[in-house]
Amino acid sequence: AQSVTQPDIHITVSEGASLELRCNYSYGATPYLFWYVQSPGQGLQLLLKYFSGDTLVQGIKGFEAEFKRSQSSFNLRKPSVHWSDAAEYFCAVGANTGTASKLTFGTGTRLQVTL
Amino acid sequence: IAGITQAPTSQILAAGRRMTLRCTQDMRHNAMYWYRQDLGLGLRLIHYSNTAGTTGKGEVPDGYSVSRANTDDFPLTLASAVPSQTSVYFCASSDRAGLFTGELFFGEGSRLTVL
Repeated sequence: AQSVTQPDIHITVSEGASLELRCNYSYGATPYLFWYVQSPGQGLQLLLKYFSGDTLVQGIKGFEAEFKRSQSSFNLRKPSVHWSDAAEYFCAVGANTGTASKLTFGTGTRLQVTL
Repeated sequence: IAGITQAPTSQILAAGRRMTLRCTQDMRHNAMYWYRQDLGLGLRLIHYSNTAGTTGKGEVPDGYSVSRANTDDFPLTLASAVPSQTSVYFCASSDRAGLFTGELFFGEGSRLTVL
């Protein structure tokens, strides 16, 4: 069975600083990988996804993530954080079984942005 | 605005009572899902439906039931609520492509407190 680990529960960065949120996954085959963002009181919104091909993927709001098979990682990055990026971020892994019912989420990382 | 509508937004419920959380989508997505979100545990899948007329059990199905009479609606029922079912519940959907990609669209959640 697949699993996702987000080792950082809470991260604080200053506005304008760079950001990296860590995600490690466990899955025997090539996974589908996702980052979702949840603003306070809202549902989750897809930031970006990786299925195959280029291991550096671009998403919305200036985010990017890099798939590193050797490290089983899919870390989320942003060069310059804005105050509006404060939210909770979830990494997720989907098994290539042809059904999204196999999507597994990490426990999330809460991002705080200081001005 | 197209999307997923959940109701109620928030509810306080006495233990032992029956409760149905409603979920309606107007995107004509084939697949729908119910997740619960708990602090420190991330999102866990309760039940899913890949298409109207079919349902399946997720990671934490006990105490919950679902039905999928048509494409748009996917209610979640707690037959006899218990305090451990206090949580925020999210309904999500995905289109046919999403079944193979895991890309989900989320509602804004229903906060349920069982006393």
